[in-house]
Amino acid sequence: EDQVTQSPEALRLQEGESSSLNCSYTVSGLRGLFWYRQDPGKGPEFLFTLYSAGEEKEKERLKATLTKKESFLHITAPKPEDSATYLCAVQELGDDKIIFGKGTRLHILP
Amino acid sequence: GAVVSQHPSRVICKSGTSVKIECRSLDFQATTMFWYRQFPKQSLMLMATSNEGSKATYEQGVEKDKFLINHASLTLSTLTVTSAHPEDSSFYICSASTLGTGASGYTFGSGTRLTVV
Repeated sequence: EDQVTQSPEALRLQEGESSSLNCSYTVSGLRGLFWYRQDPGKGPEFLFTLYSAGEEKEKERLKATLTKKESFLHITAPKPEDSATYLCAVQELGDDKIIFGKGTRLHILP
Repeated sequence: GAVVSQHPSRVICKSGTSVKIECRSLDFQATTMFWYRQFPKQSLMLMATSNEGSKATYEQGVEKDKFLINHASLTLSTLTVTSAHPEDSSFYICSASTLGTGASGYTFGSGTRLTVV
């Protein structure tokens, strides 16, 4: 059973069309939930870390939120340069490693 | 700050040869580094956790004799793919924890595209 499930797998939006990406997780105790952006042929670029339910973080057009079962990455008025794969990862209490979901491929049409 | 440098960015090798990939933390010390493999349009799969001065911890199904990991200093971890075969062709990425450096999260290298011919 996957510990981290992201949906949708792929999403095409018009420029300016806001939407949300979902990351649901099943761990016994959450140490941290991470969001990354990955461009083709590149390593993941860190966006946010969330630690507890109710926490929210923002960066430009992106806002990440966290509940006890899932996280959302809200993208407001996206631009073509926001096109990328967005990866969610979780870290369990007492563990050093982080486990990734399969990602959401986001494509913003001009 | 908190930059991880990975080298080479791409390498082509012949089947049966070995390839070494380096991962360096440039402005911080990384006691723990992680190695991932990523196939096209797939997510990152953790291969092993590399601890400075001790043996690496491999994930289930990863052959430790094929993927040799050495973490001899606080700023360098290496992954050697031994006797490479075409099925080892993939995108390999390393990362290091930046917790405690003032940054948050885990910083990733830019990846190495390995092609075995």
